[in-house]
Amino acid sequence: QKEVEQNSGPLSVPEGAIASLNCTYSDRGSQSFFWYRQYSGKSPELIMFIYSNGDKEDGRFTAQLNKASQYVSLLIRDSQPSDSATYLCAVLKAAGNKLTFGGGTRVLVKP
Amino acid sequence: DGGITQSPKYLFRKEGQNVTLSCEQNLNHDAMYWYRQDPGQGLRLIYYSQIVNDFQKGDIAEGYSVSREKKESFPLTVTSAQKNPTVFYLCATLGGQYYGYTFGSGTRLTVV
Repeated sequence: QKEVEQNSGPLSVPEGAIASLNCTYSDRGSQSFFWYRQYSGKSPELIMFIYSNGDKEDGRFTAQLNKASQYVSLLIRDSQPSDSATYLCAVLKAAGNKLTFGGGTRVLVKP
Repeated sequence: DGGITQSPKYLFRKEGQNVTLSCEQNLNHDAMYWYRQDPGQGLRLIYYSQIVNDFQKGDIAEGYSVSREKKESFPLTVTSAQKNPTVFYLCATLGGQYYGYTFGSGTRLTVV
């Protein structure tokens, strides 16, 4: 079992719809969770982080964390073609010193 | 502006040559990391360093070497580069448990 798992996609959503991305992790001691967006040919950029159970909203993005289920998700509301990218889930373990990344989910927003 | 500078953006080398990739940061972060990303693939950790003069192997350290002589710099050397599709090398720093990584803009290495 991989430490951090994501569906590779592609996740195809129509413009204006909600894109829902999921990520599961294996280490119950994980403490911080991050979502990165990576456009083709570019380096990843941080778009959200969450460390408490529940929801965290920032603009059109909402991160959801459920530590009991070892599950973190990212919702993108009102999806735009510019949201087409690969989204990477990353986890920092307790007292950890490096992030563990999932393989990424490719999102395609169709006009 | 604070950030991470990776140079050069594009690099070409002949098979069997050594090549060194530069990573410089002015974020005053202690921890620095090198990742490799093959086309269409995820990130794989090569080496990381928590403090000056100390570094640890990641998941794919074979064929690579690093040094950390000063806090701002963490160069990566690819020893005896092998011919393969262009590889994207990413340098990152860790700003703390609530800040995650900041990435540099990357270096693309093509071995011919």
